[in-house]
Amino acid sequence: EDQVTQSPEALRLQEGESSSLNCSYTVSGLRGLFWYRQDPGKGPEFLFTLYSAGEEKEKERLKATLTKKESFLHITAPKPEDSATYLCAPLGDYKLSFGAGTTVTVRA
Amino acid sequence: EAGVAQSPRYKIIEKRQSVAFWCNPISGHATLYWYQQILGQGPKLLIQFQNNGVVDDSQLPKDRFSAERLKGVDSTLKIQPAKLEDSAVYLCASSSGLDHYEQYFGPGTRLTVT
Repeated sequence: EDQVTQSPEALRLQEGESSSLNCSYTVSGLRGLFWYRQDPGKGPEFLFTLYSAGEEKEKERLKATLTKKESFLHITAPKPEDSATYLCAPLGDYKLSFGAGTTVTVRA
Repeated sequence: EAGVAQSPRYKIIEKRQSVAFWCNPISGHATLYWYQQILGQGPKLLIQFQNNGVVDDSQLPKDRFSAERLKGVDSTLKIQPAKLEDSAVYLCASSSGLDHYEQYFGPGTRLTVT
């Protein structure tokens, strides 16, 4: 059975304090991995798709990387508006499995 | 571009009652998804449609949940009868491709079963 584990569950950062979120997975036939951002009371918002080990994608202060067993989301010099829950979702054999997310709080 | 629309936004029902949710995807998106998100968990796929055909409903509790997408556009998800454990946010998403391409999510319907 596909498994997705995100760590830490919660992360409190000071504005400007860079950090990384981890997504480890056991998925049959990995075909890609998605990162989404979810704000309270809203649906997830697409951030990145990664398709192969070694691939990196960047968007503003966020950078996502992928290995064979993990993906990392690096947040560089975060701002309060980066506060959200970040969800990863590996795509296995035609099945997308979401992790429980990491809730990031950035204090000014 | 209009986003994914869902209604109602909130619903409170008693157990054993029935409830229906409606979703209108982004215009032109062929693929529509319904997810269940329990508090503190990630979304779980319930059913995926490609146009008006079902692609994946392996995680849909078919004894109480049903969904349809007539005419390949908007969709309804129904629960009958509801149980306490159905309390969750029900999210609808759409994408332009079949292969779980970039999905656009609606705001969700928060269901509370008492």
